[in-house]
Amino acid sequence: QVQLQESGPGLVKPSETLSLTCAVSGDSISNNNWWSWVRQSPGKGLEWIGEMYHSGMNHYNPSLKSRVTMSMDKSKNEFSLRLTSVTVADTAVYYCARHSGYRLLYWGQGTLVIVSS
Amino acid sequence: QSALTQPASVSGSPGQSITISCTGTGSDVGGYNSVSWYQQHPGSAPKLIIFDVSNRPSGVSDRFSGSKSGNTASLTISGLQAEDEADYYCSSYTSTFTYVFGTGTRVTVL
Repeated sequence: QVQLQESGPGLVKPSETLSLTCAVSGDSISNNNWWSWVRQSPGKGLEWIGEMYHSGMNHYNPSLKSRVTMSMDKSKNEFSLRLTSVTVADTAVYYCARHSGYRLLYWGQGTLVIVSS
Repeated sequence: QSALTQPASVSGSPGQSITISCTGTGSDVGGYNSVSWYQQHPGSAPKLIIFDVSNRPSGVSDRFSGSKSGNTASLTISGLQAEDEADYYCSSYTSTFTYVFGTGTRVTVL
């Protein structure tokens, strides 16, 4: 049973950096799957942030690309998201997820990040 | 990249069938058979219900079916049940190696 669990600060100040980690169990992030981050602003739709592969290859949403970095810690079997220069518009529930082919098959429960001073 | 276009809301009575459309471009929906559909109940994470246009993951009811024609994909829910009341999102792989979600559709069971 693949499980993902997001963690990180629930409150971030404007202009600072949002950092989240996704702990994976039941699978290895070094296996042949891509790993993604998706967010959902309150009352809004889903927005794909980006994905990465264990080789270090990644793809980011063009609208966020200049502020996003994804990384992996294979020793801890977890991957991370960094989003710089946040604004109130980055307030959202952030989900981590595992691909199976072109679909997001496994999702974390999500973590709410509020950007506020 | 622009979000795929879905109707904001669709409603139906129990037992009826409803269809949700998802319109993109030739660079996403029309260019790849990589359309997925997700169901999201309030306060919960999205759940995959259709992948690769028309395939169902194990455990998903066969009342859910998907199709595609040109740049528009569709999700049909047949035999509508109260538990189907949720938000539904389509998603597609794109020509720039990214993914794009639809705007989302709220399904109401009357």
